[in-house]
Amino acid sequence: DAKTTQPTSMDCAEGRAANLPCNHSTISGNEYVYWYRQIHSQGPQYIIHGLKNNETNEMASLIITEDRKSSTLILPHATLRDTAVYYCIVRPSGSARQLTFGSGTQLTVLP
Amino acid sequence: GAVVSQHPSWVICKSGTSVKIECRSLDFQATTMFWYRQFPKQSLMLMATSNEGSKATYEQGVEKDKFLINHASLTLSTLTVTSAHPEDSSFYICSASDQTGNSPLHFGNGTRLTVT
Repeated sequence: DAKTTQPTSMDCAEGRAANLPCNHSTISGNEYVYWYRQIHSQGPQYIIHGLKNNETNEMASLIITEDRKSSTLILPHATLRDTAVYYCIVRPSGSARQLTFGSGTQLTVLP
Repeated sequence: GAVVSQHPSWVICKSGTSVKIECRSLDFQATTMFWYRQFPKQSLMLMATSNEGSKATYEQGVEKDKFLINHASLTLSTLTVTSAHPEDSSFYICSASDQTGNSPLHFGNGTRLTVT
């Protein structure tokens, strides 16, 4: 599976948008971009995923560049409860494949 | 949305004893379940892939005789840590796939194992 690169940590002010970048320059044509987050001592929580079009749901927006080599997860109005480690993962479609977790980005939302 | 339930959420056991962790898919049939382990300040590491009705596939370096996995039904997989030692203390997390397509994996809330 393609490797992803994320910043180790980021801070964001409460109420502001949090923009979390991810590089996946070796992504293949059949690989989706997934975002999960893990709040301390809990299991990972699915946030959003996409192939090449931008996606939006009740939690976040996912912006994927046209060449698909990078993406940005946007939390439009960050709250203190959004403090977590955010993982960007690429995974092929078409099979029940595991998710391979990198180091992720520790997002800290500051009051 | 799909829910994965993991039990127990935490367990403390004595060295040399065995501990069983259950992972259930509550509202979907999981043909494949994955078991992960997470040490403090580290990311999740895949231990094994569990397929319903067949033997689990273990990742390199994971002892299959120590970490027994059973996936006897489409809604339940169990991980048994046999003859646990303090170095097995970790956060164990399961996930389940409800389709073979690109649907997201869903995770349980993890089991904190402490071996004394």
